[in-house]
Amino acid sequence: DVKVTQSSRYLVKRTGEKVFLECVQDMDHENMFWYRQDPGLGLRLIYFSYDVKMKEKGDIPEGYSVSREKKERFSLILESASTNQTSMYLCASRGGNNQPQHFGDGTRLSIL
Amino acid sequence: QKEVEQNSGPLSVPEGAIASLNCTYSDRGSQSFFWYRQYSGKSPELIMSIYSNGDKEDGRFTAQLNKASQYVSLLIRDSQPSDSATYLCAVTGGYNKLIFGAGTRLAVHP
Repeated sequence: DVKVTQSSRYLVKRTGEKVFLECVQDMDHENMFWYRQDPGLGLRLIYFSYDVKMKEKGDIPEGYSVSREKKERFSLILESASTNQTSMYLCASRGGNNQPQHFGDGTRLSIL
Repeated sequence: QKEVEQNSGPLSVPEGAIASLNCTYSDRGSQSFFWYRQYSGKSPELIMSIYSNGDKEDGRFTAQLNKASQYVSLLIRDSQPSDSATYLCAVTGGYNKLIFGAGTRLAVHP
């Protein structure tokens, strides 16, 4: 079974802090994704990566950056956290073009 | 803009009935289709994949695909209260991404 592990289930940070969310997958997948999910808004893609050191902006990249130094690890960075970034953050990985995505358990981030 | 449309619901069905969830998509080039179930406060989990026209059955779940009409559906037979969740439809959208619908909330009442 594919395992996608997010470093924290719950996280509380203060406005202006730099926040790191970590995600690790164990299936040697090329593709990794970061989403946020808010009530009534569905899944929104922040960034994705299709290879080491490669990244592409998703639908809502503003205020975020990402890092993929190793194939198994994809990090989401909030450069200067703001209260409107309080949300559930979901990491996912995917193998080949006809494969499904597999999600981590999510990180519920609160910015105070 | 590639889109996946789902009725947001809630779809309310009695226990033991068949729940029918529908999804339409805009990209005729989509090749792979997935259904995910998401319980409140949890992450989405894959329940069905379908790649060719017709029906695919797995236990109480049946996925149906019609590429000509660009819709995919999920039937849940003998619905149980534990099936109450939001169901997300996803289709391949290029660049190795999946495009997700906003989800249909299903409520199964005893």
